[in-house]
Amino acid sequence: QQPVQSPQAVILREGEDAVINCSSSKALYSVHWYRQKHGEAPVFLMILLKGGEQKGHDKISASFNEKKQQSSLYLTASQLSYSGTYFCGTISGANNLFFGTGTRLTVIP
Amino acid sequence: GAVVSQHPSWVICKSGTSVKIECRSLDFQATTMFWYRQFPKQSLMLMATSNEGSKATYEQGVEKDKFLINHASLTLSTLTVTSAHPEDSSFYICSARDPTGMNTEAFFGQGTRLTVV
Repeated sequence: QQPVQSPQAVILREGEDAVINCSSSKALYSVHWYRQKHGEAPVFLMILLKGGEQKGHDKISASFNEKKQQSSLYLTASQLSYSGTYFCGTISGANNLFFGTGTRLTVIP
Repeated sequence: GAVVSQHPSWVICKSGTSVKIECRSLDFQATTMFWYRQFPKQSLMLMATSNEGSKATYEQGVEKDKFLINHASLTLSTLTVTSAHPEDSSFYICSARDPTGMNTEAFFGQGTRLTVV
């Protein structure tokens, strides 16, 4: 079953922060995060492999709560380049990557 | 990072014809490739898993006779949309992951925008 993300869409001004949540009804063994610009392929952001793990790069970070079957992506001091649709992804037992419902992020000047 | 090349980037075809989309891994051997379909403003939905040298594995609801997948070599997988209809118009995208690990990032092709008229 497809992971559910919230919010579905968010508009930020440059410099503001945002949190995107990903929730699964099935056990999560790892979580991927990707960003997709319109008409382009998704771009890898990060993978979290262990419950309790937190990871970040520049001003984008993520956490993974294995018990709650949830992950959150944190964007701080947002930039115009952060605009796009963010997807979490989960790995099935067959090693397939299933994407979440997506969150459309728009950063305005 | 690894490079996955997909061709063509876009295609317009007439109803009833077939269209082939190619996906190549350029700098690694991909025993498994994945095909996704994305409708406007929706998520990427896994259609099938392409396995080198064996039959593809299709997700529930995906017609295997309509979406033919061939993975004849470790670097090439093809998706053929047969007897295309306007409702098949979508963004098709392939991906590959390092076959040696369970939890590795996915590398994506550029995607193919199919329009059936």
